[in-house]
Amino acid sequence: AQTVTQSQPEMSVQEAETVTLSCTYDTSESDYYLFWYKQPPSRQMILVIRQEAYKQQNATENRFSVNFQKAAKSFSLKISDSQLGDAAMYFCAFSDSGYALNFGKGTSLLVTP
Amino acid sequence: DGGITQSPKYLFRKEGQNVTLSCEQNLNHDAMYWYRQDPGQGLRLIYYSQIVNDFQKGDIAEGYSVSREKKESFPLTVTSAQKNPTAFYLCASKASGSSYNEQFFGPGTRLTVL
Repeated sequence: AQTVTQSQPEMSVQEAETVTLSCTYDTSESDYYLFWYKQPPSRQMILVIRQEAYKQQNATENRFSVNFQKAAKSFSLKISDSQLGDAAMYFCAFSDSGYALNFGKGTSLLVTP
Repeated sequence: DGGITQSPKYLFRKEGQNVTLSCEQNLNHDAMYWYRQDPGQGLRLIYYSQIVNDFQKGDIAEGYSVSREKKESFPLTVTSAQKNPTAFYLCASKASGSSYNEQFFGPGTRLTVL
């Protein structure tokens, strides 16, 4: 079974600063997908960024980027120029070619002015 | 606008009652999913359906039931057999053959047992 581990239950960052959220996963598959979802206080799950395992290039979406280390099974999320609206729960998720997403337990991000 | 709707937003249930949570999507997605979210637990898969009239148990299916009579709809029934049903429930959908395997989520239903 695949597992996803987020080792940081809570993180804090000042506005305009950079923060990195960690995620590791365990799988025997070679082809899979990784995601970061954001859940603000409204509790709507919003896709932040995704990465295909076969792509060596790290995905980037505006201020959000990932550091994908396939051999180490690591998938961290970097948020640059943090904004108050970035405050939320962030979930790392894994999916192989199968049916569903496996989620980590989440990291709560606090953004301070 | 295309999307996923869940109703009601809040639901209260007495002990011993069955309740049904609604999930509707107009994205023309084949696959639909139900997840349960508890504090500090992340999201856990209850049931999923990849095609109409077919569904499979997820990791925590005990005490729940589903149906998939229409492509657009995937209701979840929380039965009296579910020992601790108070939680936040999220429905999701995914297009078959999606190159990214990405799931889209509804706004959720908060269920509280009184």
